[in-house]
Parts: sequence; structure tokens; C-alpha cells
Amino acid sequence: DGGITQSPKYLFRKEGQNVTLSCEQNLNHDAMYWYRQDPGQGLRLIYYSQIVNDFQKGDIAEGYSVSREKKESFPLTVTSAQKNPTAFYLCASSIVGAGELFFGEGSRLTVL
Amino acid sequence: GQSLEQPSEVTAVEGAIVQINCTYQTSGFYGLSWYQQHDGGAPTFLSYNALDGLEETGRFSSFLSRSDSYGYLLLQELQMKDSASYFCATGGSQGNLIFGKGTKLSVKP
Repeated sequence: DGGITQSPKYLFRKEGQNVTLSCEQNLNHDAMYWYRQDPGQGLRLIYYSQIVNDFQKGDIAEGYSVSREKKESFPLTVTSAQKNPTAFYLCASSIVGAGELFFGEGSRLTVL
Repeated sequence: GQSLEQPSEVTAVEGAIVQINCTYQTSGFYGLSWYQQHDGGAPTFLSYNALDGLEETGRFSSFLSRSDSYGYLLLQELQMKDSASYFCATGGSQGNLIFGKGTKLSVKP
């Protein structure tokens, strides 16, 4: 079945450590996105990509990095520079310009 | 810049009809989408309006007025399982999608 797979589902990290969240899709979508969600809050855009080897910063890119070496994959690295990384991270994909995003099940990161 | 405003909470009873409003400010306009998210889960797409008017999908309908920068999601015959957060979203000129802060709907028996 087509869809988006995020891993790990739960992740614990010590302060000062980088961590990489995986996002893979087999929907043949060109566009991929990373959002952050804090309790009781909406989704805030971290990074997005419309084509391989190209990506743009969203509203809260500081302390995060991404790569888009393959159409199917869009990993997100949460670096030690991110001051408050504990959050729910959601990856999504879509046809470029479409109003419908397909989301993965999310990765919940907790910094100890 | 872009921003979307929607009420933070709405409460309704089972079987009733509820309307969730969304007003937006955008530099351009690229359609209005609606998503549902249950606690702990991922958002799922409900509907999309590119043009003015009403779009109906089963018990859910979505309306858009571009001249008023306004839209709403209408949920009919409410069921307990409709208790969730609902987000409106609109696209940016560079292909990104911006979300409102969400409306938490509580359906009471």
C-alpha cells in the first residue's frame, strides 16, 4: 500500500545530541514537508521540498537541517542548536501545489 | 505574511450540526483545506476549496468565500468519534502549506 512511513515513533535524546528522524514515501509525490506540533498547538512548518536536491526553510527552521537526495526520502535532523526540541514531528507529502497533504504517523521526540 | 484564525474550542451534542470558521490573510490565495486530527494521531485530509461555494463530502461540507477571506467546515449529524481537532490550511506562493492553530471539537452525549 502507498503511504508515508516515519521512524522512530518515539525517541529519547540527551541534551546536546543530534538526532535524525526518517521519512519515506512511496506515493511518487514531488513535495515533502516537515512540521512540528507542540501540545494544544497547530502545525508549524520547519522545512519543505518540491524537488530532489532542493529545499526551503519554513517558519521555524533554526536548529534543524534536512536533505533531499532521493524523491522518496526527506530526513530531518534535530541539532543541538534547537533550544526546545521536545515535540511531535510530522512528515507529509503531496503533489506540488495540491491542497491535500498525506501525513505519516509522526515521531515523538523527548529530550531528557 | 500569511495567517489563519479559527476558534480554539467548540462544544456540541451528538446528532447536532456544528460550524467551524476560518478567516485567513495571505499574499496570494491557493485554496483552503481542512484536516482532522484525533489526539495522538496524524492529521487526515477532509476537504479542499479552490473556488467559492460549498463542497460536500458525506456528513462534512466546506464553504469558501474568497471576497471575504473566509471559510468554514460544517459537520452534520455529529457523532462521538467526531471529537477531534480541526485545522484549516492554505498554500503559499512557494508551494508550502500553512495551518491555523486548530479548533478542538468536543461532542457530548
